[in-house]
Amino acid sequence: DVKVTQSSRYLVKRTGEKVFLECVQDMDHENMFWYRQDPGLGLRLIYFSYDVKMKEKGDIPEGYSVSREKKERFSLILESASTNQTSMYLCASSLRKTGQNSPLHFGNGTRLTVT
Amino acid sequence: AQSVSQHNHHVILSEAASLELGCNYSYGGTVNLFWYVQYPGQHLQLLLKYFSGDPLVKGIKGFEAEFIKSKFSFNLRKPSVQWSDTAEYFCAVNARGSGGYQKVTFGTGTKLQVIP
Repeated sequence: DVKVTQSSRYLVKRTGEKVFLECVQDMDHENMFWYRQDPGLGLRLIYFSYDVKMKEKGDIPEGYSVSREKKERFSLILESASTNQTSMYLCASSLRKTGQNSPLHFGNGTRLTVT
Repeated sequence: AQSVSQHNHHVILSEAASLELGCNYSYGGTVNLFWYVQYPGQHLQLLLKYFSGDPLVKGIKGFEAEFIKSKFSFNLRKPSVQWSDTAEYFCAVNARGSGGYQKVTFGTGTKLQVIP
């Protein structure tokens, strides 16, 4: 069974801090994704990666960056946290070999509060 | 760019009532379609998926969805809901991005509350 692990379940940071959210998957998936989930807005794609050291902007990349140095790990970085980045952050992974058919496997999420 | 619309934001049903949740997408190319469910306090999980063949697909827990290409729709149905179906439901489109990779776009979600 695929396991996607996000390092923190809850995180509280101050405005202006640099924040790292870590995600690790154990199924050798090529694709990894970061979403944020907000009430009434659903899931919005921040960044995704389809290979090591590769990254692509999603729909709302502003204020975020990512790092994928190893296949199993995908990090989301908030360079200077702001209160409007308070949200639930979801990491997901999927296989690329099956093309478009591959469903996403999600982690439990990190609820980030920026004060 | 692809987009997904879920028109029902909050649905309240009594147990045994029938359910239909709407999902429309916009994308000019080939898509794969998914419904995901998030039970209270749990992570998102796959309910069902469509990628080719029979447009009527069946998922877990008695859910099904019908892909109607001409209407760009992928509505979720269940003949008789149970209290345990209380959850948030997300429709998602998996379209090939400009670089040939997978890009998954979600709708805004529908909260289903089933009253015993």
